[in-house]
Amino acid sequence: DQQVKQNSPSLSVQEGRISILNCDYTNSMFDYFLWYKKYPAEGPTFLISISSIKDKNEDGRFTVFLNKSAKHLSLHIVPSQPGDSAVYFCAASALGNTPLVFGKGTRLSVIA
Amino acid sequence: KAGVTQTPRYLIKTRGQQVTLSCSPISGHRSVSWYQQTPGQGLQFLFEYFSETQRNKGNFPGRFSGRQFSNSRSEMNVSTLELGDSALYLCASHGLHNEQFFGPGTRLTVL
Repeated sequence: DQQVKQNSPSLSVQEGRISILNCDYTNSMFDYFLWYKKYPAEGPTFLISISSIKDKNEDGRFTVFLNKSAKHLSLHIVPSQPGDSAVYFCAASALGNTPLVFGKGTRLSVIA
Repeated sequence: KAGVTQTPRYLIKTRGQQVTLSCSPISGHRSVSWYQQTPGQGLQFLFEYFSETQRNKGNFPGRFSGRQFSNSRSEMNVSTLELGDSALYLCASHGLHNEQFFGPGTRLTVL
């Protein structure tokens, strides 16, 4: 069973607009969530994280929102830039040094 | 601070052979995780090492093994390679809050 789901395999957004990437999880023990960005032939790059005690975390153009009751998180990128075109992975972990569980990724294409 | 390094970057093997991949984490990081990435499957967790001990293990067959040395460098080994083992193998170095920093990966092709 997939504990972390990214239901949109791909997303296209115009440059300058907002990109919203979504992620759902099923395990109520998850308390730490992360977003990674991956270019082809490179390892994933850590973008931003959020702890379950918060509902929002912002870093520059990137904001992550967490809705614990819905078991849903989202990554907002504003404004989107062509260099943001990549695959974005959502990941989650529970307390106690448990492994990260990754979604299957969403490919974002930002069109100039 | 140097990032995570993985060697080799690319590897071609044939079925039945074995392979060893190496990972050097970020200086000062003591925990390392390994993942397999195949198209459409995201990142599948293989195992995690902390202070030379395996702390967590994913659902992979015993052909996949690993170890960690006293300097935190880690190796993973895959024996009796199968075609389905062709993948990108990623090593991640753990930060203070379990954020993980990935290396560039080793692309393994099994023919």
